[in-house]
Amino acid sequence: NAGVTQTPKFQVLKTGQSMTLQCAQDMNHEYMSWYRQDPGMGLRLIHYSVGAGITDQGEVPNGYNVSRSTTEDFPLRLLSAAPSQTSVYFCASTDQYNEQFFGPGTRLTVL
Amino acid sequence: AQSVTQPDIHITVSEGASLELRCNYSYGATPYLFWYVQSPGQGLQLLLKYFSGDTLVQGIKGFEAEFKRSQSSFNLRKPSVHWSDAAEYFCAVGAFPGTYKYIFGTGTRLKVLA
Repeated sequence: NAGVTQTPKFQVLKTGQSMTLQCAQDMNHEYMSWYRQDPGMGLRLIHYSVGAGITDQGEVPNGYNVSRSTTEDFPLRLLSAAPSQTSVYFCASTDQYNEQFFGPGTRLTVL
Repeated sequence: AQSVTQPDIHITVSEGASLELRCNYSYGATPYLFWYVQSPGQGLQLLLKYFSGDTLVQGIKGFEAEFKRSQSSFNLRKPSVHWSDAAEYFCAVGAFPGTYKYIFGTGTRLKVLA
């Protein structure tokens, strides 16, 4: 099993550009989530999904969209990037024992 | 509202010394508690978790944690620290069943002196 994979690992955007951060898991987990990690702030939940076709907002959803068309994939979209979205983004999936498995992260810089 | 507090931003210990990282939580029901470790440039790895039962839980890499309901604490301990333990440690509380939401503390960065 590859576990949770994220692409790209690094990305630089200009203000106003759009992009999609990809996340995939091969463990057949229903629950997936996106976090951002900023220095001194820990991990903050952006959006989460409890299954295909079902998504909900987390703590800091503004500026981000998600969709969940399959169990495996949970992409995160930035429609118009802003410098405040410079961060490290982690995708995670959760098993039936409530253990979260994290991807390696995407380091995003918005200029 | 649920919250997790890790009062120590940085901790420095000598190799071979004992370690205790503090975690306090605020949650209305019996919490699901976790400790994760993050090495530089890496994702998060689960060290241990507490759902119910024995309040002293053992994890990987020689770590243990004790759940103390009366103090709303879930402190992480290791009797003898190794240089490879230098990393950032996050405590988290799971706001489930129902929502599967995790709330993370702000982390404690551990430095190990040779």
